[in-house]
Amino acid sequence: AQSVTQLGSHVSVSEGALVLLRCNYSSSVPPYLFWYVQYPNQGLQLLLKYTTGATLVKGINGFEAEFKKSETSFHLTKPSAHMSDAAEYFCAVSVPYSSASKIIFGSGTRLSIRP
Amino acid sequence: EAGVTQSPTHLIKTRGQQATLRCSPISGHTSVYWYQQALGLGLQFLLWYDEGEERNRGNFPPRFSGRQFPNYSSELNVNALELEDSALYLCASSRTGGRDGYTFGSGTRLTVV
Repeated sequence: AQSVTQLGSHVSVSEGALVLLRCNYSSSVPPYLFWYVQYPNQGLQLLLKYTTGATLVKGINGFEAEFKKSETSFHLTKPSAHMSDAAEYFCAVSVPYSSASKIIFGSGTRLSIRP
Repeated sequence: EAGVTQSPTHLIKTRGQQATLRCSPISGHTSVYWYQQALGLGLQFLLWYDEGEERNRGNFPPRFSGRQFPNYSSELNVNALELEDSALYLCASSRTGGRDGYTFGSGTRLTVV
């Protein structure tokens, strides 16, 4: 069975600083990996996804993530934080074309941006 | 293209009543997933429907049920509502297999009083 661990329930960075949100996964087969963002009282918006191919994935709003199989990690980064990046971020994993296919979410990381 | 739509946006029910939540997937998506996001409990998988069939179910009691219609829209029913059922219920859709990712709706906020 697959699982996702997000390190740090709350991360605070200064505006303009590097954003690094950590995600480690567990899966017995090559997974699909996702990062979603949730703003208050809204649904989830897909930031980026890794399915196959290039391990460095670029998403919306300047975010990117790198799939590292050897480290079973899929950390999310952004070079320079903006105030508008303050939100809850969820890492997720799924097993493609599986009879048990569903997306499993990490517990989330709340990102705060200091002026 | 239209996104995943959920209705109603907000729903207030009394303990013991039944709630019905609706979800319309993106055109071309045959899979619908339901998640519960309760305060402090993260996103919990409820149900997965594909091609009209229930394919998988999370660790929830039988009073949580649903169905998928021929047009791939879906309904989530919660019977005998309890106070702890108060949560944001999110619906997502995807093509079968999920290769293109999962698109979420804005959710239904269910409050049980």
